[in-house]
Amino acid sequence: NAGVTQTPKFQVLKTGQSMTLQCAQDMNHEYMSWYRQDPGMGLRLIHYSVGAGITDQGEVPNGYNVSRSTTEDFPLRLLSAAPSQTSVYFCASSYLPGSGDYGYTFGSGTRLTVV
Amino acid sequence: EDQVTQSPEALRLQEGESSSLNCSYTVSGLRGLFWYRQDPGKGPEFLFTLYSAGEEKEKERLKATLTKKESFLHITAPKPEDSATYLCALPNLRDSNYQLIWGAGTKLIIKP
Repeated sequence: NAGVTQTPKFQVLKTGQSMTLQCAQDMNHEYMSWYRQDPGMGLRLIHYSVGAGITDQGEVPNGYNVSRSTTEDFPLRLLSAAPSQTSVYFCASSYLPGSGDYGYTFGSGTRLTVV
Repeated sequence: EDQVTQSPEALRLQEGESSSLNCSYTVSGLRGLFWYRQDPGKGPEFLFTLYSAGEEKEKERLKATLTKKESFLHITAPKPEDSATYLCALPNLRDSNYQLIWGAGTKLIIKP
């Protein structure tokens, strides 16, 4: 099925641990992004990429790293987990603006708890 | 500062009771407005893109309209399965075309 696949769906980390959230899309979308969603805060952009080898920071990038070695994959790395990073993380992809209707396709999310 | 405001925060309707959700915005230049639906425990699902004032788009019981200052999502004769949080978003031109400004959403509850 075409779409955005995120793994894992749930994760519990201890403070200070590191981990990678995986995101893959099979729609040949140039644009990929990571959001976090917290109650009362809405969706906030962490990092995004407009193509392989190109990444940039969003609104809340601290504590997170990304890389884009292929068009399909866009992993998000938590360097040293903190309780403030407890959240639901969504990966989204789309065509670039100007390439047609560039509505985002979102993954199903990763619910992360840092204790 | 570019802003997107959705109202109301929550809306409870009886099945069949039509209503509208509002998304008002202040941006330096409109280059598209998006509507999404989000079910609990899932990622947002793309519904519509509107590009210019006066434009309208429909999908089943939903109809989105756009003016120069706001967008409405009209829900006609809703069913319980229309219950969800509805989000609107616009591109942030100040920084780049690749970042969206998101509203906080309207939680819609349709009672049978």
